[in-house]
Amino acid sequence: DAGVIQSPRHEVTEMGQEVTLRCKPISGHDYLFWYRQTMMRGLELLIYFNNNVPIDDSGMPEDRFSAKMPNASFSTLKIQPSEPRDSAVYFCASIPEGRGTGELFFGEGSRLTVL
Amino acid sequence: GQQLNQSPQSMFIQEGEDVSMNCTSSSIFNTWLWYKQDPGEGPVLLIALYKAGELTSNGRLTAQFGITRKDSFLNISASIPSDVGIYFCAGLNNNDMRFGAGTRLTVKP
Repeated sequence: DAGVIQSPRHEVTEMGQEVTLRCKPISGHDYLFWYRQTMMRGLELLIYFNNNVPIDDSGMPEDRFSAKMPNASFSTLKIQPSEPRDSAVYFCASIPEGRGTGELFFGEGSRLTVL
Repeated sequence: GQQLNQSPQSMFIQEGEDVSMNCTSSSIFNTWLWYKQDPGEGPVLLIALYKAGELTSNGRLTAQFGITRKDSFLNISASIPSDVGIYFCAGLNNNDMRFGAGTRLTVKP
């Protein structure tokens, strides 16, 4: 079975550019999460969706960040304009309805470097 | 920001040694989980704990859900080189999962 698929795996961009990260959750999973990982702050929850609807976006750092989930199989995290402090690994994770064991299934991450 | 305090931040041990790490929180969690992250990968679940006081083992791993529901520990016995990685505790309430800062484990052969 395919796991959570993220793209791109690596992106290097210049300050001020728009960045779009993509995620395809596991089929049948109703919850989708976006996390950011840095050395300083560890894994931070940015936003999560249930049935394509954003439930909690209190972790989104500022208005430069936005996330959408137009359908059950696709989500995007956009940063516009990007800044060097946005450099991090961004993880998408999904989980089925009812949460089961509580296990989050993570993608391999998108490593973003903003110069 | 994070609500969980995980320690130690890093550990350097010799192969064969036992490892212990813990996580505390000012908030109560209904579920505690421990994840491991290998380099270049996303975290993967190791153990999940659902009841206060619960002690669960998975091979060389043992984890406990603190009786106050505000803490948990993870022990690894007889460490091996492939135990290298970052270990995260996570607390779960309803649909909100929060992670500790991680313990970076290095095992010397």
